[in-house]
Amino acid sequence: AQSVTQLGSHVSVSEGALVLLRCNYSSSVPPYLFWYVQYPNQGLQLLLKYTSAATLVKGINGFEAEFKKSETSFHLTKPSAHMSDAAEYFCAVEARTDKLIFGTGTRLQVFP
Amino acid sequence: DAGITQSPRHKVTETGTPVTLRCHQTENHRYMYWYRQDPGHGLRLIHYSYGVKDTDKGEVSDGYSVSRSKTEDFLLTLESATSSQTSVYFCATERDSSYNSPLHFGNGTRLTVT
Repeated sequence: AQSVTQLGSHVSVSEGALVLLRCNYSSSVPPYLFWYVQYPNQGLQLLLKYTSAATLVKGINGFEAEFKKSETSFHLTKPSAHMSDAAEYFCAVEARTDKLIFGTGTRLQVFP
Repeated sequence: DAGITQSPRHKVTETGTPVTLRCHQTENHRYMYWYRQDPGHGLRLIHYSYGVKDTDKGEVSDGYSVSRSKTEDFLLTLESATSSQTSVYFCATERDSSYNSPLHFGNGTRLTVT
């Protein structure tokens, strides 16, 4: 069985600062990993995904994530936060024969 | 996105009453899912469907049933609503089960059981 742990339910950064949202996974088989973003009163949207090709994955809106097998991590980063990045972010894992499992989410606040 | 419409968007109901939530998609996606979102729990899968009349349970299926009589519609029914079912419910669709087919989400239904 697989699972994901998102460290920190809330993260606050200043506009222009680095964004780092942490995700660690557990999986008995090589996983597929995803980050989704949820803006207020909306459903989730795919931000990026890792599917065993390049370990550094680039997504939409300037976000990227690096798959580190040795650390079982898939942290999400963005060099410079923008006010419009304020949202809730979900890490998710999928093993090949199983369904997508979501983490508990991290709410990102961006201050001017 | 994938033309997913959830109805109603908001509903308040009393304990013990039946409730049906509807998800309608226009993209002809094969897979459809119902999730509930609760603080501290993220999204948890209730039921899913892999085709017309083909459904299966997710991790939190107790107290819920589903039906899919047409490709485009996936109904979630709470036979006798309880306060623990107060939540935001999301429908999602997926073209196929491969990793290249991301989930597309509706905008959610906020259900309050009093």
